[in-house]
Amino acid sequence: EAQVTQNPRYLITVTGKKLTVTCSQNMNHEYMSWYRQDPGLGLRQIYYSMNVEVTDKGDVPEGYKVSRKEKRNFPLILESPSPNQTSLYFCASKDSALWVGSPLHFGNGTRLTVT
Amino acid sequence: AQTVTQSQPEMSVQEAETVTLSCTYDTSESNYYLFWYKQPPSRQMILVIRQEAYKQQNATENRFSVNFQKAAKSFSLKISDSQLGDTAMYFCAFMKHALAQGGSEKLVFGKGTKLTVNP
Repeated sequence: EAQVTQNPRYLITVTGKKLTVTCSQNMNHEYMSWYRQDPGLGLRQIYYSMNVEVTDKGDVPEGYKVSRKEKRNFPLILESPSPNQTSLYFCASKDSALWVGSPLHFGNGTRLTVT
Repeated sequence: AQTVTQSQPEMSVQEAETVTLSCTYDTSESNYYLFWYKQPPSRQMILVIRQEAYKQQNATENRFSVNFQKAAKSFSLKISDSQLGDTAMYFCAFMKHALAQGGSEKLVFGKGTKLTVNP
């Protein structure tokens, strides 16, 4: 089944403790991206990657890191999480080569709570 | 910068009736794409419908259709014969043509409309 898989689904951590949220897609998509969703704000892009070893900042990149060493994986790293990073996070991918304007395919989300 | 506005934070409809969710956007681009995504309580983001700005014909997917008014920058979603399973948060989203934004292919989302379908 074609899908974007995020882990974990829920995560509770403390301020300053490094964490990684994994994301993997099995659709051979070039493009991958991370979004965060907050009440009343909709979804906002954190980082994106157009292909392996190519990453760039989105609208809210502060406090996050990403890497794209393999085409299928795009982990989100919080080196020193803070309470304002408590949010619902989505990984997404799309086939940029297939057709322009193709939709994003989303993972099931990771609910992160930083205390 | 592009903005997407969903002016109805919450709506409700009776089962089997029709409901329309509104969305307006602001852009100076002529070539772009518009989407409606559904987010049920399970939190999944599910694509409902997609519209290409250069196409005048309104997109339709089964019970879901859009009213795309390019000059007015309006992109409303109509749900016909509403079902209990349509209860969800609905997000309108805008994407510039990839060549117009250096390949970021970013989706700009509205804040969402929470739709409740009542039995």
